[in-house]
Parts: sequence; C-alpha cells; structure tokens
Amino acid sequence: GENVEQHPSTLSVQEGDSAVIKCTYSDSASNYFPWYKQELGKGPQLIIDIRSNVGEKKDQRIAVTLNKTAKHFSLHITETQPEDSAVYFCAASLDTGNQFYFGTGTSLTVIP
Amino acid sequence: DAGITQSPRHKVTETGTPVTLRCHQTENHRYMYWYRQDPGHGLRLIHYSYGVKDTDKGEVSDGYSVSRSKTEDFLLTLESATSSQTSVYFCAISGVAGASEQYFGPGTRLTVT
Repeated sequence: GENVEQHPSTLSVQEGDSAVIKCTYSDSASNYFPWYKQELGKGPQLIIDIRSNVGEKKDQRIAVTLNKTAKHFSLHITETQPEDSAVYFCAASLDTGNQFYFGTGTSLTVIP
Repeated sequence: DAGITQSPRHKVTETGTPVTLRCHQTENHRYMYWYRQDPGHGLRLIHYSYGVKDTDKGEVSDGYSVSRSKTEDFLLTLESATSSQTSVYFCAISGVAGASEQYFGPGTRLTVT
C-alpha cells in the first residue's frame, strides 16, 4: 500500500516568517493530495488540496506544490500568524480507492 | 464540522466490554469513514461505507465492525474493547468516491482501562 512520510514533526517560526512542511509518497498512482489543519480538540479541517495534473496551487497565504517525478509535495504558509499554530497533516489518495493515507503530522508553532 | 456529529465525545470503558460509537451527518453524503488517530501514526482508516448497508475494510479493521442502516448514520462497534483500542476516533464524510474532499467530525476520545 501507499506510504506517506511527513517532515518535520515539529516546527517553530516567528510571526511573519514562512513555514514549509514536506511530504513524500511511495505509490506513483496516487493522484490527490489534501492538506488538513487540526486544532486542539477538533477534527482535521481541509485547507488546500492538489491533484496530480497540477504543479502548484495557491489560496491566499497558503500554497501547495507537487513534484510527481520525485513523488513529493509541500505546504507553504507565508506571513504566518499565531492562529496558524496547529497540527498539519498531508495525505495521498488514488482515484480508484476510498482510502486516504496520512502523514504523521507536523506541529506548527508561530511565536508572536 | 460540515454537519457531522459524533457521540459520545468522550468515553471510558473497561477491557472486554462492547462499545458503539455513532456518527451522524446532515449532508446526505454517500460515503462515510471511520478513522483512528494515534501519536506517531497520523490517521488510519478502520472501515468505510459507500452506501446504506455497503461497507468495506480499511487499513486497521481488526477488532472493529460497522453498520449503516440509514444514509445519515454510521456506527462503529468494538465487540470486546482492548487497551490497544484506546484512541481518538474520527468520522469523515464525502460526496464522491476516491480522490475527493473528506470532511471530518469533532472526534470521540475513547479510553479502555
């Protein structure tokens, strides 16, 4: 099955700086890559996603890039704010299946 | 949380007792999922449903069963709870199959003593 690795496990940045979280996947057939943000005591919330026919996608301060050849994708958060502090999860999925394979999460702390 | 509720939100139970967790959605989505979340493992799929009375196993299905008698409800049952099933359980829903958005409920924290 698919194996998704996520790095780093923890990340601290100063407010206003950028944060980058990276994930790699093993199954070249995976074609959908969502990113979730999870705040303490809550369920994961979808923040951005990308499909394999696209190399980059942006939504305000958040962007995701995908390198299919290298089988890795990254989440970029610019101009970080304290409310960006949370755990972020990447995932990979195939069109033909119903299973998401999640990374182990990155705990992001934005220091005011 | 996209019209998804889970009950109970917290439960403490003893080893060997049966436990049922409930997921209820108001979105009329066809697909429903049960995940468990553990430190160092992210979220792992237990079972999913692709329609009323249609279910299938996920990555970590041993020790769990599910049922779906109505579109809006998806039940997860631990027939005989074990300490290894102490976890946070999340329900998710999706309107389409495969590679598409899944929306998660608020979670149930289960402790098996």
